[in-house]
Amino acid sequence: GQQLNQSPQSMFIQEGEDVSMNCTSSSIFNTWLWYKQDPGEGPVLLIALYKAGELTSNGRLTAQFGITRKDSFLNISASIPSDVGIYFCAGQSHTGTASKLTFGTGTRLQVTL
Amino acid sequence: DTEVTQTPKHLVMGMTNKKSLKCEQHMGHRAMYWYKQKAKKPPELMFVYSYEKLSINESVPSRFSPECPNSSLLNLHLHALQPEDSALYLCASSLPSFYNEQFFGPGTRLTVL
Repeated sequence: GQQLNQSPQSMFIQEGEDVSMNCTSSSIFNTWLWYKQDPGEGPVLLIALYKAGELTSNGRLTAQFGITRKDSFLNISASIPSDVGIYFCAGQSHTGTASKLTFGTGTRLQVTL
Repeated sequence: DTEVTQTPKHLVMGMTNKKSLKCEQHMGHRAMYWYKQKAKKPPELMFVYSYEKLSINESVPSRFSPECPNSSLLNLHLHALQPEDSALYLCASSLPSFYNEQFFGPGTRLTVL
């Protein structure tokens, strides 16, 4: 199936550094979501964005819904070891009473002390 | 209760076995989803149920058979699987509204021998 372009593919950073990742699509989405997945676990929802241009924060996380509705970025400030994991963006299309997610290829984040 | 639960956590089965995966949520969500995730890949949508009716089947082989007995429960019946079906199977649920972010369960790690 279709996947969104997510970059970078992986990042190796030091504790305390800021992190930025982004996601681009050839299609327009109604909603952008960002998830984090730890090994062997299900994705956990971090942030949901509903309007083009919207900027939303959740603690040290900040995400934006691109003006064109075809892209989004996620920033993590002052990274800590527990930020390690795989981050997925997902564009959401509404299909009546359900929704369909198209996932990005993922960004693997590793944090060193 | 704000979580999606899945059982079993791990399952090993032979190619001639019949087994079932179970997913449960008590958040009042009326849309439920099955995803398949291979290692180092994003989740791929398999099925969507909306108000206990199958609304999306992403051309999944018939050896996977979903069932939604009630609004809280979603099953995935497995029969005559192939080794390449080994993966993490994720269940998700969402509200039937515009703000219908999907919340994921922890997954079932399936190994087909």
